[in-house]
Amino acid sequence: QKEVEQNSGPLSVPEGAIASLNCTYSDRGSQSFFWYRQYSGKSPELIMFIYSNGDKEDGRFTAQLNKASQYVSLLIRDSQPSDSATYLCAVIGAAGNKLTFGGGTRVLVKP
Amino acid sequence: NAGVTQTPKFRILKIGQSMTLQCTQDMNHNYMYWYRQDPGMGLKLIYYSVGAGITDKGEVPNGYNVSRSTTEDFPLRLELAAPSQTSVYFCASTTTRGGGEDTQYFGPGTRLTVL
Repeated sequence: QKEVEQNSGPLSVPEGAIASLNCTYSDRGSQSFFWYRQYSGKSPELIMFIYSNGDKEDGRFTAQLNKASQYVSLLIRDSQPSDSATYLCAVIGAAGNKLTFGGGTRVLVKP
Repeated sequence: NAGVTQTPKFRILKIGQSMTLQCTQDMNHNYMYWYRQDPGMGLKLIYYSVGAGITDKGEVPNGYNVSRSTTEDFPLRLELAAPSQTSVYFCASTTTRGGGEDTQYFGPGTRLTVL
């Protein structure tokens, strides 16, 4: 079982719709959870981080964490063509000294 | 403040050659990391360092070596390059364990091809 799993996609959404991305993790002691966006040929950039169960909103992005079920999700509201990218879920495990990345979900927003 | 810089941007190696990928950060970060990213895949941790003189293996360390003699620099050494090492290499740094506002800052990457 992979430590951090994501559906590779592509997730195709029409412009203006909500994109919903999911991520599951295996280390029950994981502490911190991150969503990165990566455009083709570029380095990852942080969108959101979340520590506590529940929702965290930042602009058009909402991260949701459920530690009991070991999943974290990202919602992108009012999706724009500029949101087309690969979204990487990353987790800091119980050891607390390194990030483990999922394989990423490719999102395509169609005008 | 340049952030995290990596050199070179691109490199082609022949099988069996060696090279060093350079990574420098000017943010006085303690933690530094090397990842590789194969096409269409996520990032895999090669090595990391929690401070000068301290390094540890990540998920895929075979075929690589690192050193950390200063806070700023964290070079990655490839010995006896193999086609399986064709990848994009990212260096990253953070102040603490990578949590919260102390997010990981990534360099622009080095695209390496081994033929």
